[in-house]
Amino acid sequence: KNEVEQSPQNLTAQEGEFITINCSYSVGISALHWLQQHPGGGIVSLFMLSSGKKKHGRLIATINIQEKHSSLHITASHPRDSAVYICAVYGGTSYGKLTFGQGTILTVHP
Amino acid sequence: EAGVTQSPTHLIKTRGQQATLRCSPISGHTSVYWYQQALGLGLQFLLWYDEGEERNRGNFPPRFSGRQFPNYSSELNVNALELEDSALYLCASSIGSDSISSYNEQFFGPGTRLTVL
Repeated sequence: KNEVEQSPQNLTAQEGEFITINCSYSVGISALHWLQQHPGGGIVSLFMLSSGKKKHGRLIATINIQEKHSSLHITASHPRDSAVYICAVYGGTSYGKLTFGQGTILTVHP
Repeated sequence: EAGVTQSPTHLIKTRGQQATLRCSPISGHTSVYWYQQALGLGLQFLLWYDEGEERNRGNFPPRFSGRQFPNYSSELNVNALELEDSALYLCASSIGSDSISSYNEQFFGPGTRLTVL
């Protein structure tokens, strides 16, 4: 079992829909990082969380430390949100590195 | 402020050759991280350098090596290239940390796409 599991692996939505991507991890962590990767390969940092909830524009990220679970929500989705969303955790079995989920491929249709 | 930069953007090599990839961190960042994203395998941690020292290493063979220079830029060297080394190599940087257990947000570069023929 991977240390970081994301669901769903693929997600298709219509423009305007509310989207949720989930991330579960099996180890104790210091922080969790949500990342966005566009087809060209570049990675953009969306949120860094160690507790609670953060909001930036249409994006909301939450984390429940006790349940070892985080969610990324996108409100009023738009085709430009189409990308791969990656959850990464810091800590666990080895410090000094991020451990990544397998990513969620999001496609938003107009 | 300039972000993390990587060069070259693309690199094509043949099996058995050596590849050198370069990374310049954000100004003020002393930690540099290298990751490999091979097709279908997701992102995997390669190396972490801080203040010129290798701090941690992922589960990769010794032919993957690197170094960090006094200006905090970094090189990743891959010797005796194999076909499965074809991947996107991403560099990230962060401010240094006094404690290995605390996380400082990492900022990623655009990557170098290495193709081994």
